[in-house]
Amino acid sequence: EVQLVQSGAEVKGPGESLKISCKGSGYTFTSNWIGWVRQMPGKGLEWMGIIYPSDSDIRYNPSFQGQVTISADKSTSTAYLQWGSLKASDTAIYYCARGASGSSYFDFWGQGSLVAVSS
Amino acid sequence: SYVLTQPPSVSVAPGQTAKITCGGNNIGSKRVHWYQQRPGQAPLLVVYDDTDRPSGIPERFSGSNSGNTATLTISRVEAGDEADYYCQVWDVNSDHGVFGGGTKLTVL
Repeated sequence: EVQLVQSGAEVKGPGESLKISCKGSGYTFTSNWIGWVRQMPGKGLEWMGIIYPSDSDIRYNPSFQGQVTISADKSTSTAYLQWGSLKASDTAIYYCARGASGSSYFDFWGQGSLVAVSS
Repeated sequence: SYVLTQPPSVSVAPGQTAKITCGGNNIGSKRVHWYQQRPGQAPLLVVYDDTDRPSGIPERFSGSNSGNTATLTISRVEAGDEADYYCQVWDVNSDHGVFGGGTKLTVL
């Protein structure tokens, strides 16, 4: 059974750094892209970027490039999303999702990680 | 960047057919995917590659794509179909994915 298990909720202050995780299991982690999707409170889904864990090839949505860093660790089957300096506007739920082989859709999703940034 | 346009809301009575559109420039040349998101839950893929359904998704969910509009059709709508629905494509020119703004389906 394919599973993506994300790290828990985080409450941080503006300017702090943060790294959230997404651990894949039930499939060969290096064979599929892993993507990150943002959902701000009461808003829609935003495609942030994807990584191919086998070679760390990354594609960013230009709207997020430079604002976040996507990475992956093949040895632990875990993908990461990190911020160097959080802003209040980063408050959102962040989902990781597995990219389907041979197409551009996400076939399995993590449960979401809530990030709250407040002073 | 490629833009996908969805109506903010669609309402339908139980047992009727709901059609949710997703507009984009020459979207018919792209593969369109649809996700359902119930309140408080992660998105769920309901249609991929324009017309295909993942295993476990009822046949009541179907998709089409032509010209500048893709459509998700939900037949014999049930109360449990009430959710937000999002379309998604890959923008070849900018090499990243794009979601539509989402449509809230209300079952009357």
